[in-house]
Amino acid sequence: KNEVEQSPQNLTAQEGEFITINCSYSVGISALHWLQQHPGGGIVSLFMLSSGKKKHGRLIATINIQEKHSSLHITASHPRDSAVYICAVRPPLSGNTPLVFGKGTRLSVIA
Amino acid sequence: GAGVSQSPRYKVAKRGQDVALRCDPISGHVSLFWYQQALGQGPEFLTYFQNEAQLDKSGLPSDRFFAERPEGSVSTLKIQRTQQEDSAVYLCASSLGDGMNTEAFFGQGTRLTVV
Repeated sequence: KNEVEQSPQNLTAQEGEFITINCSYSVGISALHWLQQHPGGGIVSLFMLSSGKKKHGRLIATINIQEKHSSLHITASHPRDSAVYICAVRPPLSGNTPLVFGKGTRLSVIA
Repeated sequence: GAGVSQSPRYKVAKRGQDVALRCDPISGHVSLFWYQQALGQGPEFLTYFQNEAQLDKSGLPSDRFFAERPEGSVSTLKIQRTQQEDSAVYLCASSLGDGMNTEAFFGQGTRLTVV
């Protein structure tokens, strides 16, 4: 079973700071997702990537397949970025397989 | 609808009571997943449907848990004789295709509290 580890577990930042959240996994994957979960439970998909780097607004996600590691970066952080950020991986099997999730990183951005 | 809709948003059940949680996926989405998220943890897989077929139910924790998607759209997760350890957020996700790299869209979840 793929083990997904995230660090840090909790992160407090001042508004404007550059933030990095890390994700490591133990077994090869077909895709990695970064998800955002606000209080109340709803999850929003931020990125799905299988190689390289993706950018959307102030968010950047990178993945290194050889090292089995991904990072999520937030530039110019803002209090509205406060949420739990979850890394999830999809095993390299054919068809649609369930995601395996990390425990999440709780981010608080203070004004 | 515009997104994945789950109901109810919150449910309080007395221990031993049966509950039914509903998921309305995005129209036309083939794949539907149910996940269970305990407090402070990441979601854990429960079961997967491709259209009306339940292809994987290996994550269901006991035979008290039952899921169905009879017409390949709306799905219901039923928990019989609820126990306190069933307290969690139950998340539903749907995706358009049945391939490896189709993006998943999540609902708001149902927070179940068993007292």
